[in-house]
Amino acid sequence: EVQLVESGGDLVQPGGSLRLSCAASGFTFSDHHMDWVRQAPGKGLEWVARTRDRLNSYTTEYAASVKGRFTISRDDSKNSLYLQMNSLKTEDTAVYFCSRVGKDYGGTTDYWGQGTLVTVSS
Amino acid sequence: DIQMTQSPSTLSASVGDRVTITCRASQSVSSWLAWFQQKPGKAPKLLIYKASGLVSGVPSRFSGSGSGTEFTLIIGSLQPDDFATYYCQQYDSYPLTFGGGTKVEI
Repeated sequence: EVQLVESGGDLVQPGGSLRLSCAASGFTFSDHHMDWVRQAPGKGLEWVARTRDRLNSYTTEYAASVKGRFTISRDDSKNSLYLQMNSLKTEDTAVYFCSRVGKDYGGTTDYWGQGTLVTVSS
Repeated sequence: DIQMTQSPSTLSASVGDRVTITCRASQSVSSWLAWFQQKPGKAPKLLIYKASGLVSGVPSRFSGSGSGTEFTLIIGSLQPDDFATYYCQQYDSYPLTFGGGTKVEI
C-alpha cells in the first residue's frame, strides 16, 4: 500500500525557516517524480515544487511564489522527500501535501499524504 | 502561467442529479488535464487523468471530456459520497496550475 506521511509543520515567525519531510513507503520511491502542493486555510490547491527521479537527474521545478526561497530535495536511500522553506511569509501559511507523480498518468499525481500544517505568524 | 477557470464555484444538487463542472484553460493544454476530488480535512483524490481517463477504482458515473482549452467533468448520477470539492489541474507546462475549485453541496 502506497503511503506518504508528512512531518515538520509548525508555527514559525515571518522571515524564519522550516524543513518539511515526507516519508514514503509501499512503492519504489526512486522511480517516481515527487511534488509538494499546498492549500491555504479555506482556499484552493497550489502546486509548489517538483523533483524528478534519478533518471532525470533529480531536476526541479518551482512555482514563482516560492522560487529562490524554497528548495525541494530527496534522499532515495531513505525514501524521503524534503522541502526546505526559508524567508517564510505569512502567505506561506498552508497545509503542505507531499504527492507522488504517477507512472501511468502522464505527469499528474496519483497519491497524496494527509498534509502538515505550516503557520507563519508573529 | 496557464490560468485555469472553473465554473460554477458552488453547485447545489440532489442525489441522483447529473452534475456538470467546466474547466477552461487560458491557453491550450492539449489533453493534459486532471480532475481531483477533495473532502474536508482530506487529501485530494485523483479521479480523471489526461482529460478523459478514468482512474482505476473510480466509479464509472464519473467521466471527463475535452481538449485544448475546454474541459468537462460529469457525474452521471450524484451519490451521497460525491458531495465534495472538485479541482481541475493542467499538467501541460510548468508551473502546474489548479482551477479554483467547485464545491458540490446539497
